[in-house]
Amino acid sequence: KAGVTQTPRYLIKTRGQQVTLSCSPISGHRSVSWYQQTPGQGLQFLFEYFSETQRNKGNFPGRFSGRQFSNSRSEMNVSTLELGDSALYLCASTVLGGAGSTGELFFGEGSRLTVL
Amino acid sequence: DAKTTQPNSMESNEEEPVHLPCNHSTISGTDYIHWYRQLPSQGPEYVIHGLTSNVNNRMASLAIAEDRKSSTLILHRATLRDAAVYYCILRGLWDSNYQLIWGAGTKLIIKP
Repeated sequence: KAGVTQTPRYLIKTRGQQVTLSCSPISGHRSVSWYQQTPGQGLQFLFEYFSETQRNKGNFPGRFSGRQFSNSRSEMNVSTLELGDSALYLCASTVLGGAGSTGELFFGEGSRLTVL
Repeated sequence: DAKTTQPNSMESNEEEPVHLPCNHSTISGTDYIHWYRQLPSQGPEYVIHGLTSNVNNRMASLAIAEDRKSSTLILHRATLRDAAVYYCILRGLWDSNYQLIWGAGTKLIIKP
């Protein structure tokens, strides 16, 4: 069974640009969540999608947005990039609800964004 | 929002047991306690989770205090491959409006 796939793995952008990151969850997982990880701030929750609807959102500015498609794949977008947006962006998928659901999160390897 | 607190780092000798503590004094009755670990240059991986009772799996054991305000992840026999950052987090029921809050994690150093 394929794991969570994130693309691209590495990217470099300049201030003011925008970026789109993609996440393909494990087959059958309908929940996708996104996290930002920086050395100074640790791992911070961005948002979670379930069946194409955003269920929860972290404390990030409106420049950070996301969406989920009918096949459960998700994208997140950051507009008007700032230097402080340089981070590892992690995506996780999970099975929510139903018999046997454990809520276990399965993470991808992340997309490392560098803003110059 | 519920939060967890963990020591920044811990050291242990190889092949000895390791007890990683986590405090979650504001835990609600429907919050599950999850543990994940993150190896260098990788995404976090699931270790174990529980609600009220102690739990065991092939990777570790989870001991939950009776009042649920703290828990301890137990690695019975640490190896060098267990060196990682360990996160203790709280997750609510899937149909509740919850927010996933990650603590800073504990960096576990294993000495050969």
